[in-house]
Formats: sequence, C-alpha cells, structure tokens
Amino acid sequence: DTAVSQTPKYLVTQMGNDKSIKCEQNLGHDTMYWYKQDSKKFLKIMFSYNNKELIINETVPNRFSPKSPDKAHLNLHINSLELGDSAVYFCASSQSGRATGANVLTFGAGSRLTVL
Amino acid sequence: GQSLEQPSEVTAVEGAIVQINCTYQTSGFYGLSWYQQHDGGAPTFLSYNGLDGLEETGRFSSFLSRSDSYGYLLLQELQMKDSASYFCAGPNQAGTALIFGKGTTLSVSS
Repeated sequence: DTAVSQTPKYLVTQMGNDKSIKCEQNLGHDTMYWYKQDSKKFLKIMFSYNNKELIINETVPNRFSPKSPDKAHLNLHINSLELGDSAVYFCASSQSGRATGANVLTFGAGSRLTVL
Repeated sequence: GQSLEQPSEVTAVEGAIVQINCTYQTSGFYGLSWYQQHDGGAPTFLSYNGLDGLEETGRFSSFLSRSDSYGYLLLQELQMKDSASYFCAGPNQAGTALIFGKGTTLSVSS
C-alpha cells in the first residue's frame, strides 16, 4: 500500500514538448505539494493544494500548472519543456495546510524528468 | 526571506558520532524538522523540534535553540546505512509549506 504514489518514475522528452506527472495519496491528507529537486539536491517548493485550493505558488513559470481533481490527487502539467526543467519532481502530502514541522510531509518516490 | 543554512558535506567513520548544524532565518517560526534522503530515494521524516531542547529517537537526536535560531541533528553509533543527505526544514513565510535547507551529505566509511 503505497502512501504517496507518482507516475511516471522516469520521463525523457524533447524540448518544447508538454508532459504531465500524476500523484495520488491514500493517507486521507488534506494538503498536497509539488517539490522540485535539482542536480545539487536543492528541494524547492513549487505548489501546494489544500482542499482543492491552490494556497501557495512560488516563483514558478506559468508553464507549470497543477491540477487537482480531488484532495487525493495532484497532477503536474508542464508546457513547452526547457532544458532547465530537468530535475526530480516530488509529490508530497500532509495532514493539514498548516506548515508546522509537526505536520509531517510524506513524499512520493519522485519522478525524474530529463529534457533533451 | 526565509532561509536555512547547513554544511554541504560531513564525513565520519562507522561507530562515530556526527552533528549536523542548521541555522535559520524565518518569521512566524513553528519549529525545525529534519528529513533524510538516500541517493535515488525520497525524503523521509526523521524528527521535529517545536520547543527548545533535545528530542531523542533511537540513535538520532535533534536539538533546537529558538533564541539562537539554531538547531542540530546528532547521529550516534554511525552505520554505513546512515550515508545519506540530511535536510533541515522550517515553514515558509506564509506558514503554508515547508522550505528546506540545501542538505548535508553524510558519508560514513568503515
């Protein structure tokens, strides 16, 4: 029983293409997130969704769009892919949207995106 | 803005003790968390300090001093499997997500 699952695990594509990464959690959590981890392992928050509402949106290009059909799913769609988008994208979830450290994040296994 | 600083690398031998420090600048502070990430894996939660002092979980302990904006993760009786990246994390300014330090890569040798 995978708590946070994301697909695909690996994605190789050409510049200019559009791609999506799917994420599902079965923990009953209220909030889901997308993080980007670059080659230097820096984890950067991209989006979070709480009860289907976008509650943060860091300085992310509008080529990236999160879509949440329900609170158990948060998909990431990327348009016009660029070389700099190559990274590992992690989906995560937490019990609530309140970002205290006690509100533990559970991460998916990650999706490694390579843009050629 | 919000930021958390930690050393980029630490090396140690099996059986040793290592301390990974984290200093932070955040407003609306709600505590400091620590996450572990093995190569190719996902970050996993290790510990959380909401108040000053030491929290112990087996071989791992974490400490927080809010007055100093400082915390550390202490790993005892190091094992090869502890080789991983360790991230401290705290809330963003809006309190709506965790932001992470740049991570400390721990290499444990025999």
